Amino acid sequence: AQSVAQPEDQVNVAEGNPLTVKCTYSVSGNPYLFWYVQYPNRGLQFLLKYITGDNLVKGSYGFEAEFNKSQTSFHLKKPSALVSDSALYFCAVRDDVSSASKIIFGSGTRLSIRP
Amino acid sequence: GAGVSQSPSNKVTEKGKDVELRCDPISGHTALYWYRQSLGQGLEFLIYFQGNSAPDKSGLPSDRFSAERTGGSVSTLTIQRTQQEDSAVYLCASRGRGPGTDTQYFGPGTRLTVL
Repeated sequence: AQSVAQPEDQVNVAEGNPLTVKCTYSVSGNPYLFWYVQYPNRGLQFLLKYITGDNLVKGSYGFEAEFNKSQTSFHLKKPSALVSDSALYFCAVRDDVSSASKIIFGSGTRLSIRP
Repeated sequence: GAGVSQSPSNKVTEKGKDVELRCDPISGHTALYWYRQSLGQGLEFLIYFQGNSAPDKSGLPSDRFSAERTGGSVSTLTIQRTQQEDSAVYLCASRGRGPGTDTQYFGPGTRLTVL
């Protein structure tokens, strides 16, 4: 069975500093990995995904994520945080065993950027 | 419309009553998901429809919850004999099929309050 873990409920970073939001996964086959963001009182928005190819994936709003197969991780990163990045971030995974496999979300990490 | 729509946006009901929540996926999307998000918490998978296959109901919390997807398009999530712990935001997402269609698109959600 597939699963995804976000070990940090909350991450606090000062504006201008680099940020990392951690995600690890477990799947039967090869993973399809996703990051979504949820701003206050708004719906979930897609940030980026890894399907195949380059391990470093670039997405919206200057975010990027690095796929590490040996560590089964897909951490979200940004070189310089903005106050406006404060939101709830979700990692998600599904496997490639079947085109019908479902997407599972992590429990979410609340990112707080202080001015 | 171009995106996933859900109705109603807000629903307040009394304990013990039945409620129906509706999701209109993006036209042509074959996969449809229902999730539940309690206040500030992660996404809890409920049910997944993929084309004409039998739905994956593994996330439904009790037999009071059921969902249908008619004609491969609109879906209705029904909660019978609602309880206060059912209060949450219910999110629907749809996904296409084939290369480059792994991204889920979320609706704005229905906020359910059970008094």
